[in-house]
Amino acid sequence: DSGVTQTPKHLITATGQRVTLRCSPRSGDLSVYWYQQSLDQGLQFLIQYYNGEERAKGNILERFSAQQFPDLHSELNLSSLELGDSALYFCASSVGSDSYEQYFGPGTRLTVT
Amino acid sequence: GQSLEQPSEVTAVEGAIVQINCTYQTSGFYGLSWYQQHDGGAPTFLSYNALDGLEETGRFSSFLSRSDSYGYLLLQELQMKDSASYFCAVRFMDSNYQLIWGAGTKLIIKP
Repeated sequence: DSGVTQTPKHLITATGQRVTLRCSPRSGDLSVYWYQQSLDQGLQFLIQYYNGEERAKGNILERFSAQQFPDLHSELNLSSLELGDSALYFCASSVGSDSYEQYFGPGTRLTVT
Repeated sequence: GQSLEQPSEVTAVEGAIVQINCTYQTSGFYGLSWYQQHDGGAPTFLSYNALDGLEETGRFSSFLSRSDSYGYLLLQELQMKDSASYFCAVRFMDSNYQLIWGAGTKLIIKP
């Protein structure tokens, strides 16, 4: 158990809908990262927050947005969902803002039908 | 540009030794990490190399050669539980120190 929690574990929704994924980092970690992993693919970095501020942006679509709250938990919002958005979404956390050692949550499996 | 290459699949026998390579093409390299991911599971951190040489952690070792833009993960005394995907990830100075991930190597272990 990495100490990072993600909810929900599974999510099934229809095209065009909007969903929110939630992540709580390990105690003491200030950075939260979001990744997307499609079936049998590598990890695509989406976005990073550090202590409430956006730190870095990767290949995140404009339909996606995220934020980190004062208690350091983070939410990833996915809107106007398409079939291609079906994937595993991982949240990871680390102590610092540029850490090579990240702790991953169990992931949220999103299925868009 | 920033790109990583690693083999898509490697097969080995239980009890043997296997090496998973990772090559990168970029300037501003900062360090190389390795992560393990079992099917359906989350990636877990294995090792990090910032300097040339070998880092050993139990049955796993990781090597880096900055001059060759190359690293590898060495797994010894393979066990069936080592069957997983292994990702190399590189930190670059010009990517705001974000990790750039390889596509992963699926390690298949046969009895």
